[in-house]
Amino acid sequence: NAGVTQTPKFRILKIGQSMTLQCTQDMNHNYMYWYRQDPGMGLKLIYYSVGAGITDKGEVPNGYNVSRSTTEDFPLRLELAAPSQTSVYFCASTDPTGSGTDTQYFGPGTRLTVL
Amino acid sequence: QQPVQSPQAVILREGEDAVINCSSSKALYSVHWYRQKHGEAPVFLMILLKGGEQKGHDKISASFNEKKQQSSLYLTASQLSYSGTYFCGTESGRGSNYKLTFGKGTLLTVNP
Repeated sequence: NAGVTQTPKFRILKIGQSMTLQCTQDMNHNYMYWYRQDPGMGLKLIYYSVGAGITDKGEVPNGYNVSRSTTEDFPLRLELAAPSQTSVYFCASTDPTGSGTDTQYFGPGTRLTVL
Repeated sequence: QQPVQSPQAVILREGEDAVINCSSSKALYSVHWYRQKHGEAPVFLMILLKGGEQKGHDKISASFNEKKQQSSLYLTASQLSYSGTYFCGTESGRGSNYKLTFGKGTLLTVNP
């Protein structure tokens, strides 16, 4: 199992450009999440999905969009990139059983710089 | 509401102990602890559920006081490999779609 994979690892964007951050998991998890991590601020939830075709906003959704057409993939779209979106982006997934084992598995992250 | 972690940073010598605290203003269902090494993804350490017992593996353990909405992570006889940033993630209820709200983190540095 590869777990959660993210591409690209690094990207530099110019202000106003758009891009899609890819996230794929091979664990058949229904729940998937996108976080951004800024220095000293912890992880902030952008969007999440509880299954294919179902997505919802997290704490900081402005400037982002998501889709979930398959169980495996959960891409994050940035439209009109702004310097405030410079951050490290992590995708995570979980398969909660309610028995205390619903850990979130994180991908390796995408480091995005907007200039 | 973001949980509050304390201390923000701690420096230890190998073999010393440390306690990291996580407090929330909301009633909690579970607390998750993660460790993140520089430039890497967070890695799960343990989860504590409401009504559950103190957990631990190796020399790292944690407790969860539901009445105070607090959790503490205990690292005993620290090793160099314990260095990293520790995050608590809190879940307010089973209807939350397993969403976690993370604290700002505690930077732990273990020196030889």
